[in-house]
Amino acid sequence: DADVTQTPRNRITKTGKRIMLECSQTKGHDRMYWYRQDPGLGLRLIYYSFDVKDINKGEISDGYSVSRQAQAKFSLSLESAIPNQTALYFCATSEGSGNQPQHFGDGTRLSIL
Amino acid sequence: AQSVTQLGSHVSVSEGALVLLRCNYSSSVPPYLFWYVQYPNQGLQLLLKYTSAATLVKGINGFEAEFKKSETSFHLTKPSAHMSDAAEYFCAVSKGAGTYKYIFGTGTRLKVLA
Repeated sequence: DADVTQTPRNRITKTGKRIMLECSQTKGHDRMYWYRQDPGLGLRLIYYSFDVKDINKGEISDGYSVSRQAQAKFSLSLESAIPNQTALYFCATSEGSGNQPQHFGDGTRLSIL
Repeated sequence: AQSVTQLGSHVSVSEGALVLLRCNYSSSVPPYLFWYVQYPNQGLQLLLKYTSAATLVKGINGFEAEFKKSETSFHLTKPSAHMSDAAEYFCAVSKGAGTYKYIFGTGTRLKVLA
């Protein structure tokens, strides 16, 4: 089984819908992250969490919210989806931060029509 | 501010040829540097990391990278390309232990020609 699991893997939805992307991990890491990947732009940080009670905005948090339900679970929500949120979304974890690598899920490909 | 520049969004090499993927960084403090590989429909996987222990870092699948402070570079190399190396490669930098922020380059897609 994957260490970092994202569901769903693919989602197509319509403008204005609320969407939740889920991430769970079995690595036992405290730190979890949500990124979006767009062609030619690399990965950009949406939100990050150091533990269940510590959630922080990243560089592109507008239009997104998150919930850290447990150490192992970190969900990303789009309250009212818009087409420019069409992207590939990744959840990642790390043990400590900075000097430790991140561990990524396989991503959720989200299309908003 | 920290940044990462990957020169060449697409690189093509022949099977058996040298692979060289370029990464330059800017950082006001000694950085930690990482290379990741992304295969189609998968997440990023760590290839190797530099955390100041040694300037030449060996990673998985025969890849290595050399940290050159004077050139602010951390280029990724592999002596002989294999078809299975075709993927997208990302360089990333962090400011150090205790930071949350990892800055990723825009990626280089490697194509291996038979």
